[in-house]
Order: sequence, then C-alpha cells, then structure tokens
Amino acid sequence: DAKTTQPPSMDCAEGRAANLPCNHSTISGNEYVYWYRQIHSQGPQYIIHGLKNNETNEMASLIITEDRKSSTLILPHATLRDTAVYYCIVRGTDKLIFGTGTRLQVFP
Amino acid sequence: NAGVTQTPKFQVLKTGQSMTLQCAQDMNHEYMSWYRQDPGMGLRLIHYSVGAGITDQGEVPNGYNVSRSTTEDFPLRLLSAAPSQTSVYFCASRLGLAAYEQYFGPGTRLTVT
Repeated sequence: DAKTTQPPSMDCAEGRAANLPCNHSTISGNEYVYWYRQIHSQGPQYIIHGLKNNETNEMASLIITEDRKSSTLILPHATLRDTAVYYCIVRGTDKLIFGTGTRLQVFP
Repeated sequence: NAGVTQTPKFQVLKTGQSMTLQCAQDMNHEYMSWYRQDPGMGLRLIHYSVGAGITDQGEVPNGYNVSRSTTEDFPLRLLSAAPSQTSVYFCASRLGLAAYEQYFGPGTRLTVT
C-alpha cells in the first residue's frame, strides 16, 4: 500500500473552508484515496473516498489531482466540531493502514 | 443496530497477566480488524479477519492472538501482558474486502503495570 504525507497540524477559522492536503506520490492505479477523522479519543470515522474523480458528500469534498499523486480534503464551512485528527489513507488491498494524520484545530 | 461494540472500556493488568478484549458487530460484516493507538500516534493494525475462520497478521501482531469462530465476534487475546502493550485498542468492521466504509468501536483503554 502506498504511503501518504500530511502536514502535522493546521488551523482554520470557524465558518471558513478547511483545505487539508495529502501527498501520495507512489499510489498505484487501483488504489483509492480514503479520508477518516478521529475526534478526541473516539474511534475514527469515515469521511469520503475517491479513485480519480473529484467526489462530494454531505461532509466534505475530495479533490484528486490528475496524476493522482496528491489530493485535498475540503470541509466547506468548518465548525468547532470539526476539530479532529484527519487521516489520508491509500488503500488497494484489504488493509486500512493509518499514518499520523493532520491535527485540524478550528477556532472561533 | 448497535454497530461495533467493545468490552471492557477500561482495564488495568499486571505484567504477565492474560486477558481477552471483546469485539462484536451486529451488521453482518465479513471483515473485522483490531488496531492499537499509542499516545500521539496513528492507529496500527494488529490482526484482521476477512471472514469466519480466517485471520491474518497486520503491522504489529506480536504478543496478540485472534480467532474468528463467528461472523459477529472477533476477540483479541493478550497472552502475557507487557507494559509496552499499554494503549487504546480499537476494533473495526466493514461489509467486505471491497467495502469502502469501515466502522470503528469506541475503544478499550488498557494499562499494563
């Protein structure tokens, strides 16, 4: 499974868009990009996933570059409840392997 | 549905003791897995199972045993607890190998003294 690189921390003002980047330069053609988040000490929560097209759901949008070597998770209107650690994961086989993620702090 | 449940929520063990962390899901998911999370770290995969009777090792399997006799249950056994196994343990499940959404339990906080 390909490895990912994320900034360790980011800040975002409440109500603004949070853009979380992820590099996955060694991604293979059949590997998907997944995003999960972990709020405080809870179990991680699935957010969104994609292969090569941009995706949007009720929680977030996922933008994947044309060469698939990087992606951006967008929370369009961040709230205080979005403060969490966000994990970008590349998954092709059965295993979901976590990195260290980005700690997003949303401030008032 | 209760989703993924884990018991106990908290546990303190002495070095050398054994115990079993319980995990159950009521969603008829084929795929289940165990992770550990140390302070300030991401989750690391211990063991996983793609169906009843089938288990395999993850990133950090040493010191842990698993079995999968039913679809619903996936217990994690610590054979001889060590302080290095102090961690938060998360169980997870998803419908199958290709399923995209994985559901996590609330975690078990284990301290080994």
